[in-house]
Amino acid sequence: EAQVTQNPRYLITVTGKKLTVTCSQNMNHEYMSWYRQDPGLGLRQIYYSMNVEVTDKGDVPEGYKVSRKEKRNFPLILESPSPNQTSLYFCASSLSVNLDYGYTFGSGTRLTVV
Amino acid sequence: AQTVTQSQPEMSVQEAETVTLSCTYDTSESDYYLFWYKQPPSRQMILVIRQEAYKQQNATENRFSVNFQKAAKSFSLKISDSQLGDAAMYFCAYRTVQGAQKLVFGQGTRLTINP
Repeated sequence: EAQVTQNPRYLITVTGKKLTVTCSQNMNHEYMSWYRQDPGLGLRQIYYSMNVEVTDKGDVPEGYKVSRKEKRNFPLILESPSPNQTSLYFCASSLSVNLDYGYTFGSGTRLTVV
Repeated sequence: AQTVTQSQPEMSVQEAETVTLSCTYDTSESDYYLFWYKQPPSRQMILVIRQEAYKQQNATENRFSVNFQKAAKSFSLKISDSQLGDAAMYFCAYRTVQGAQKLVFGQGTRLTINP
């Protein structure tokens, strides 16, 4: 089944403890991106990648890192999480970097930082 | 920068009735794409409908249709014969090409279906 797989689905962590949220797609998509969803703010882009080894900042990149060493994987790294990073996170991918058909989304990761 | 505004945080409708969710956007581009996504309680993001700005004809997918007014920069979603399974958060999104290629999302509208 063609899909974007995100793990974990839920995560509770403490301030300052490094964590990684994994994202993998099996559709040979060129474009991948991370968003965070907060009430009243919709979805905001954190980082995106248009190809292997090519990543760039979105609108809210502070406190996050990403890497794209393989086409299928695009992990999101929080080096020192803080409570303001408590949010619902989505990984998204697209076959074309033109995004003419929008995104295919993962099932989301609910992160709580205490 | 492009912005997308959904002015209705919450909407409700009786089962089998019709409801319209509003969306406006701000852009100086002439060619772009617009989308509506549905997020049910499972929180999976599902593409409902897509509109190409250069097409005059409004997109339709079964009970879902849009009213695309390019000059007014308006892109509303109409759901006909509402069903309990339509209850969800709905997000309007705009594909931008200026700067980084990405989808810009509105704030979302939570739709409740009353039986």
